[in-house]
Amino acid sequence: DVKVTQSSRYLVKRTGEKVFLECVQDMDHENMFWYRQDPGLGLRLIYFSYDVKMKEKGDIPEGYSVSREKKERFSLILESASTNQTSMYLCASSLRTSGYYNEQFFGPGTRLTVL
Amino acid sequence: DAKTTQPPSMDCAEGRAANLPCNHSTISGNEYVYWYRQIHSQGPQYIIHGLKNNETNEMASLIITEDRKSSTLILPHATLRDTAVYYCIVSPRGGVNYGGSQGNLIFGKGTKLSVKP
Repeated sequence: DVKVTQSSRYLVKRTGEKVFLECVQDMDHENMFWYRQDPGLGLRLIYFSYDVKMKEKGDIPEGYSVSREKKERFSLILESASTNQTSMYLCASSLRTSGYYNEQFFGPGTRLTVL
Repeated sequence: DAKTTQPPSMDCAEGRAANLPCNHSTISGNEYVYWYRQIHSQGPQYIIHGLKNNETNEMASLIITEDRKSSTLILPHATLRDTAVYYCIVSPRGGVNYGGSQGNLIFGKGTKLSVKP
């Protein structure tokens, strides 16, 4: 089975701290994604990566950065955490496409609380 | 904004078919219809996808109207474990293309399906 794992299920940080959220997938997928999910707003794409060292901004990249040094690992970084970044963070991966369908596989999520 | 419209909630009796509608009247010719679901406290899970023909797999059936402006996800025998939020998404086929964002999945608010005993 495809497995996408995230470093923590629950995380509590203080305002101004630097926060690292790690995601690892074991299926050799080229594409990886970071979303955040908030009540009433659904899932929103923060960043995605279609190859090692490549990254693209999603819909809400402000306040976040990412790192993809290895194919299996995609990190989301909050340089200076703020309370409005309290959210559920979801990582996903998928095969790169040459025009054909692929599905995204999601991790279990990290619930981040910034105090 | 999501390009789909779904009812915010639905109920279904256990063992009966659950029919979840989705309106995607602005769908374009190269866009697929995808369905995902999210069980409480878990990440979303892929269910099924289709372009214009009806599709069936071990989880569900997808019925797409001939004009492709709407679709229905059918869970033939709903169980309590099918209680979840169901998302209907339209997107160009495939995920992320080289160097661009075409094909990203845009999740709306979905339909919260409650399967009751």
